Amino acid sequence: KNQVEQSPQSLIILEGKNCTLQCNYTVSPFSNLRWYKQDTGRGPVSLTIMTFSENTKSNGRYTATLDADTKQSSLHITASQLSDSASYICVVIDRGSTLGRLYFGRGTQLTVWP
Amino acid sequence: EADIYQTPRYLVIGTGKKITLECSQTMGHDKMYWYQQDPGMELHLIHYSYGVNSTEKGDLSSESTVSRIRTEHFPLTLESARPSHTSQYLCASTPGQGGTDTQYFGPGTRLTVL
Repeated sequence: KNQVEQSPQSLIILEGKNCTLQCNYTVSPFSNLRWYKQDTGRGPVSLTIMTFSENTKSNGRYTATLDADTKQSSLHITASQLSDSASYICVVIDRGSTLGRLYFGRGTQLTVWP
Repeated sequence: EADIYQTPRYLVIGTGKKITLECSQTMGHDKMYWYQQDPGMELHLIHYSYGVNSTEKGDLSSESTVSRIRTEHFPLTLESARPSHTSQYLCASTPGQGGTDTQYFGPGTRLTVL
């Protein structure tokens, strides 16, 4: 069973609008949580990294939040652009192994229309 | 843009052929990884390496093999390709100094076995 669940599976919004993507996880013990952006046919690119002590982290128009108590994270995209069309992947890192085991969500496929 | 490269980007090959997917990085990273990703699904770790002459199998069983003779290179080999091997293969690396290190991904190789 996947320990990282993302919602919605897909989302279509109009250019200029805001949107919020959700990530729920059951990974324990928790080390940190990352959001990646993956363009079609490309490898994922890191947007944010948050440890359990951080609640919010921003990267330009992207703002990630983390509630380690409820094991939920969100990624908010402000003033969307056509180039934001991509899959957004939530990744949770397990603190309990030397490898730093990564658990991947299946991603939210975002489409921004003009 | 990360300095991690994969070749070929696309490969269509017949059943039974031997193939090698190349991955190289110029960042001097110790840890390298191979992931397999099917459309709309999460990334699955199939191999990883902590450094030269170190290779381990990941979570997802794979008939592929890897080698790490030099820090920069982490090639993946399929001795006899089958249609079930059709997938996207992503290579990644990280400096390996701590749990919050970002993984840098290559652009991926999309493999189709006929």
